[in-house]
Amino acid sequence: GAGVSQSPSNKVTEKGKDVELRCDPISGHTALYWYRQRLGQGLEFLIYFQGNSAPDKSGLPSDRFSAERTGESVSTLTIQRTQQEDSAVYLCASSPWAGQRNIQYFGAGTRLSVL
Amino acid sequence: GDSVTQMEGPVTLSEEAFLTINCTYTATGYPSLFWYVQYPGEGLQLLLKATKADDKGSNKGFEATYRKETTSFHLEKGSVQVSDSAVYFCALSDYSGGGADGLTFGKGTHLIIQP
Repeated sequence: GAGVSQSPSNKVTEKGKDVELRCDPISGHTALYWYRQRLGQGLEFLIYFQGNSAPDKSGLPSDRFSAERTGESVSTLTIQRTQQEDSAVYLCASSPWAGQRNIQYFGAGTRLSVL
Repeated sequence: GDSVTQMEGPVTLSEEAFLTINCTYTATGYPSLFWYVQYPGEGLQLLLKATKADDKGSNKGFEATYRKETTSFHLEKGSVQVSDSAVYFCALSDYSGGGADGLTFGKGTHLIIQP
C-alpha cells in the first residue's frame, strides 16, 4: 500500500490474554518504529528496527512486551498477559532508513483496550 | 535524557486569528526538530521540520524556527482556518546520546478553531 498499515484498528481483550499487533511499513523502508500513546500522554517510544535487527530494546515497558520483524517487511508487537495499564493506542512508523533527519511516516494506530 | 515540553490545550481560537504553540526542548546533542499534526480520525503526519540552528521549517502557512539559544521551536501561523483544528505534536530526534533512535514527543496541543 501507499502508507503504513496497522491491524487491527481496534482490539478489546481481557486482562491476562496475549495480543499481537501488526504493522506493514511503506515498501522499501528499512527502519520501523513502535510507539505507545496512553490517554492524555505524549507518544512514548518503544523500539525500532533497522532491517530485522532491533539494536535497542530498552524502551519496551516490561518483559511482557516483545517485537519482531521479518526482513524489511511486517513487524508484530506482542503483549503477553495484558494488564489494564497496557490500554493505549499503539502507533507504528517507518522511514527509508534510521537517521536523525529522516521523516517518520505513521500508521493510523491500533487502539488496545484491556478490560 | 531528552524531553519536549509544549503548551497543553485545548487552545481555542477564532478563524483568522494568529496562532502560536510554544515548544521547548532539552537534548544531549544537536537534535533535529519536528512538528507533527494529527487531524481527527487520521494518523500522525509531518507538518514541518528543521535540522539545524536558525533553520525555519514551513508548510501550509505554518512556520517554526529552530532557536538553539532558547532551545525552542515554537509553531506559528498568521491566520488559522477551521480546517487547522487538530492535535499538534512537537518532537525531536537526537542520535548523539547513543540510545534509542525514536522520536521524543511532547504531549500534544489540541487546537480548536471556531468559525
